[in-house]
Amino acid sequence: AQSVTQLDSQVPVFEEAPVELRCNYSSSVSVYLFWYVQYPNQGLQLLLKYLSGSTLVKGINGFEAEFNKSQTSFHLRKPSVHISDTAEYFCAVDYGQNFVFGPGTRLSVLP
Amino acid sequence: ETGVTQTPRHLVMGMTNKKSLKCEQHLGHNAMYWYKQSAKKPLELMFVYNFKEQTENNSVPSRFSPECPNSSHLFLHLHTLQPEDSALYLCASSREIGLAGSNEQFFGPGTRLTVL
Repeated sequence: AQSVTQLDSQVPVFEEAPVELRCNYSSSVSVYLFWYVQYPNQGLQLLLKYLSGSTLVKGINGFEAEFNKSQTSFHLRKPSVHISDTAEYFCAVDYGQNFVFGPGTRLSVLP
Repeated sequence: ETGVTQTPRHLVMGMTNKKSLKCEQHLGHNAMYWYKQSAKKPLELMFVYNFKEQTENNSVPSRFSPECPNSSHLFLHLHTLQPEDSALYLCASSREIGLAGSNEQFFGPGTRLTVL
């Protein structure tokens, strides 16, 4: 079955610390990978995406993600977080026939 | 306007009311989606439309009735809702469905619905 796993439902981290949000997907021949961010009472907005090419993808707000085909992972990272990064983060995979979202990870940045 | 818009942004209704949510996309996309997002739950895909035809209905109760008059507009008609239907309702669009690379979804800001 086509699925997306985000093992951490909540990640608390102190301001200016690094953070990694994990995403794994079920194996497929080829996929396109996305990270979305959702601030309270807003829709989801695209942070970054991997379609092809370099496995390290840079997005908005200083976030980046690395596609690892052998581990079927697409983890999101930021070297130094800000209070304003507090939000829900969703990993998503375009399997072709379906576009599947992970359950989300709540990132809380503490002062 | 650009992107995906939704109106109203907030809606409070009683269980006997009838109301409608509206979504409009200005991206030239052919597919549109309704999602329900409840507190502490994953995103729930409700309905999918492709070229105005409904392609997916994920066992949504009949008190939710979608309408897609053209590829740019999507409505969700609500009647006799229950308090557990209170949630954020999100609309999204994509270029197409079923073609890898064309499914990237673009979201509206959502309608926060409260059923009393």
